[in-house]
Amino acid sequence: DAGVTQSPTHLIKTRGQHVTLRCSPISGHKSVSWYQQVLGQGPQFIFQYYEKEERGRGNFPDRFSARQFPNYSSELNVNALLLGDSALYLCASSITGTYGYTFGSGTRLTVV
Amino acid sequence: AQKVTQAQTEISVVEKEDVTLDCVYETRDTTYYLFWYKQPPSGELVFLIRRNSFDEQNEISGRYSWNFQKSTSSFNFTITASQVVDSAVYFCALSETQGGSEKLVFGKGTKLTVNP
Repeated sequence: DAGVTQSPTHLIKTRGQHVTLRCSPISGHKSVSWYQQVLGQGPQFIFQYYEKEERGRGNFPDRFSARQFPNYSSELNVNALLLGDSALYLCASSITGTYGYTFGSGTRLTVV
Repeated sequence: AQKVTQAQTEISVVEKEDVTLDCVYETRDTTYYLFWYKQPPSGELVFLIRRNSFDEQNEISGRYSWNFQKSTSSFNFTITASQVVDSAVYFCALSETQGGSEKLVFGKGTKLTVNP
């Protein structure tokens, strides 16, 4: 079975640009969560989606948005990129959350 | 708010030594889950264990063992006879459920280096 897949793996963007990151969950997993991991820190929760509805949002500005599609894949969008948005963005899928989260390998975003 | 503290930023050991990674958490929930993840240089978070707050039994899986003590809000992780392949950053995490949202709150991680 395929795990959680994220694309692209690496990305370099310029300040002020927009970026879209993609995630495909494990088959049968209806919940997708996004996390931001800045170098040297633990992952920070950004969003959770379940059955295409936003279930939760972390302490991130409105420049961050996401959505989940009918096939349960998800996109994370970040507008007006700042240097501080440079990080590893991790996607995690789960059945309900309490059964454990499976993470993808992440997208490493560099903003220059 | 939930909080996870991993006081050890970096640990360096020689192969075959035993090593314990500490994790202390804070929560007001009566039901919660605790996790340990391993993050090798590739970046992927590898799931190691999930423990329910009602289950205080220690668990052993091969060279890995976990000690959950609710009285001290700790969930420590021990690697016995460490190997070079154990070198990674290890994260302890706590589940938080609020208003239908489920998320993990992570500690800052402990970087383990196992030298040959």
